[in-house]
Amino acid sequence: GNSVTQMEGPVTLSEEAFLTINCTYTATGYPSLFWYVQYPGEGLQLLLKATKADDKGSNKGFEATYRKETTSFHLEKGSVQVSDSAVYFCALKSRSNDYKLSFGAGTTVTVRA
Amino acid sequence: NAGVTQTPKFRVLKTGQSMTLLCAQDMNHEYMYWYRQDPGMGLRLIHYSVGEGTTAKGEVPDGYNVSRLKKQNFLLGLESAAPSQTSVYFCASSYGTTGIPGNTIYFGEGSWLTVV
Repeated sequence: GNSVTQMEGPVTLSEEAFLTINCTYTATGYPSLFWYVQYPGEGLQLLLKATKADDKGSNKGFEATYRKETTSFHLEKGSVQVSDSAVYFCALKSRSNDYKLSFGAGTTVTVRA
Repeated sequence: NAGVTQTPKFRVLKTGQSMTLLCAQDMNHEYMYWYRQDPGMGLRLIHYSVGEGTTAKGEVPDGYNVSRLKKQNFLLGLESAAPSQTSVYFCASSYGTTGIPGNTIYFGEGSWLTVV
């Protein structure tokens, strides 16, 4: 079946530091890949997505590249802000079961001023 | 733009009590979902619906029932609450066209349920 593995947190950074959250997946075929973000006390919001190999999703300074050869979709941001403190979830959706998102466990990121 | 709205946001139940969580979406989405979020486990799919009048089991359906009598609403019921059902519940919805890659799923803000 499909599965997503994220690096464990929590991650604590200083403002303007570089952030990487690793995400690898197992899936049949060519899934679509997503990063969702959950700010404290809120629901999940789509941060970015990629639907085929070598696609790069980007939003709010975050980027992730769909790497089929390494089955990875690592999230990166070059200079984080306090407002980026949140829980980040990697997720995938296969084309055969497009109703279902498979989530990673989530990575809690705290950015200190 | 309301999007996906869940009620109630917070609830405390005693073991054995019943309750219903209501989800409403105003985006004319075909698909609707209920997930639960537990620490260290990400989100797990409880039940989902691919259209009005349909429901199906997800990964962790035991102890829950659902109904989709109207396209815009998806109800999650707990008939006899147990402490193991203490969790944060998220409703979500999406367009239902099969095969569109990257079809985005939109989430509500969550309902915090504690069973004592």
